[in-house]
Amino acid sequence: SQKIEQNSEALNIQEGKTATLTCNYTNYSPAYLQWYRQDPGRGPVFLLLIRENEKEKRKERLKVTFDTTLKQSLFHITASQPADSATYLCAPTLGNQFYFGTGTSLTVIP
Amino acid sequence: DAGVTQSPTHLIKTRGQHVTLRCSPISGHKSVSWYQQVLGQGPQFIFQYYEKEERGRGNFPDRFSARQFPNYSSELNVNALLLGDSALYLCASSAQQTGGIYGYTFGSGTRLTVV
Repeated sequence: SQKIEQNSEALNIQEGKTATLTCNYTNYSPAYLQWYRQDPGRGPVFLLLIRENEKEKRKERLKVTFDTTLKQSLFHITASQPADSATYLCAPTLGNQFYFGTGTSLTVIP
Repeated sequence: DAGVTQSPTHLIKTRGQHVTLRCSPISGHKSVSWYQQVLGQGPQFIFQYYEKEERGRGNFPDRFSARQFPNYSSELNVNALLLGDSALYLCASSAQQTGGIYGYTFGSGTRLTVV
């Protein structure tokens, strides 16, 4: 069955630095990979989608890479701000069903 | 435009009871998916409905069922509730069956507590 792993521990970084979150998957080949942000008690909010034939995608301060050989996606937040503090979920997707990782909790310290 | 709306927001039920959760997708969205999120875990896929037909089912027991109505709203039903069913139940909608480049839009969820 599919297995999705994200940074096992919470990530604390200083404001202004770049946060890098990791998503590794096994046992399937997703056609694309989604990243979501989730705040406590709220539903996930869609951030970015990257397709298997794309190596990198950017949106404002966000950058996502997708390495289908390594079965890994990296999610970067540059010039991080305290408002970026949240849990970030990756969802490697095949067809109409997708499965989330456990998420990485990010805290940006002022 | 209203986002995805779910009701109720919170619910307390007793073991063995039945519960119905409701979801209204974004206007024009024909796909509705249901997820269960236990504290500290990522959301787990339960069902997807598109154009009123079930298009996917996750690894959940038959106590879980769902349906989609002609107006594309959806209900998730859970029978014979167990303590382990306590979770945040999330509904997500999209215009296409596969989400597309805009991903899925989630509601704020229904917090179900089984006592």
